[in-house]
Amino acid sequence: AQTVTQSQPEMSVQEAETVTLSCTYDTSESDYYLFWYKQPPSRQMILVIRQEAYKQQNATENRFSVNFQKAAKSFSLKISDSQLGDAAMYFCAYRGNLQGAQKLVFGQGTRLTINP
Amino acid sequence: EADIYQTPRYLVIGTGKKITLECSQTMGHDKMYWYQQDPGMELHLIHYSYGVNSTEKGDLSSESTVSRIRTEHFPLTLESARPSHTSQYLCASRPTRYNEQFFGPGTRLTVL
Repeated sequence: AQTVTQSQPEMSVQEAETVTLSCTYDTSESDYYLFWYKQPPSRQMILVIRQEAYKQQNATENRFSVNFQKAAKSFSLKISDSQLGDAAMYFCAYRGNLQGAQKLVFGQGTRLTINP
Repeated sequence: EADIYQTPRYLVIGTGKKITLECSQTMGHDKMYWYQQDPGMELHLIHYSYGVNSTEKGDLSSESTVSRIRTEHFPLTLESARPSHTSQYLCASRPTRYNEQFFGPGTRLTVL
C-alpha cells in the first residue's frame, strides 16, 4: 500500500521569506500523481499544486513550486515570498493511476505559521 | 471555491441518535468521497463512489453508511451516534478525467 509521510508537524516562517515543506512517499507504481493541498483554519481544503510523475519538469504555480525527485520519492513544496494568507495546514497527497485506484492517500499534514 | 456543499456545518448531538450528513455538488462529477479528519490530523477515506448506485468502503473502517441515488448527492448516515464518532467529516468530488478532488467545507460533528 502507498504511504505518504510529512515529517514536519509544524513550520514557521517570517513574512516575505521562503519556506520548504517536506514530503516523501512510498509506492511501487511508476505512473501516479502528487498533490499539495492547503487547509486554512475553518475553511475549505483547496489544491495548491499538482505534479504528474511522468513529467520531469517541476510544477510551478505563482509563488508555489515543487521539487519532485522521483528516484528518491520526494515531493517538497516551496513557498516564496510568504504571505499571512499562506498560514494553514498543508497536506501532501498521492494518487495512483491504476484502473480503479481513485483514492488519494494523504500525509499527516504540516501546520505553517507566518510571522509578521 | 468549488460548488460542493455540506450541511450541517456544525452538529452537536447526543449518543444513540441517528444522523445524516449531507453532501451535494453541482458540477456533475461522477466520483465522490467521504473523509474523516480529527483536528489537525490527516484525512482518512471512509467511503467513495464511482457513480450512481456505486459505493465502496474506504481505507478506514467506519460504522457509517452512504448512498448514491443521484449523481449530485452523497449523504452519509450514522444509525446510532457515539462519542467515538466525534470528528470532522469532509466530502469531496472529482470528474473522471481530472485528477483534482474538490472539497466541501466539512461538517464538524460532536457526539456527547
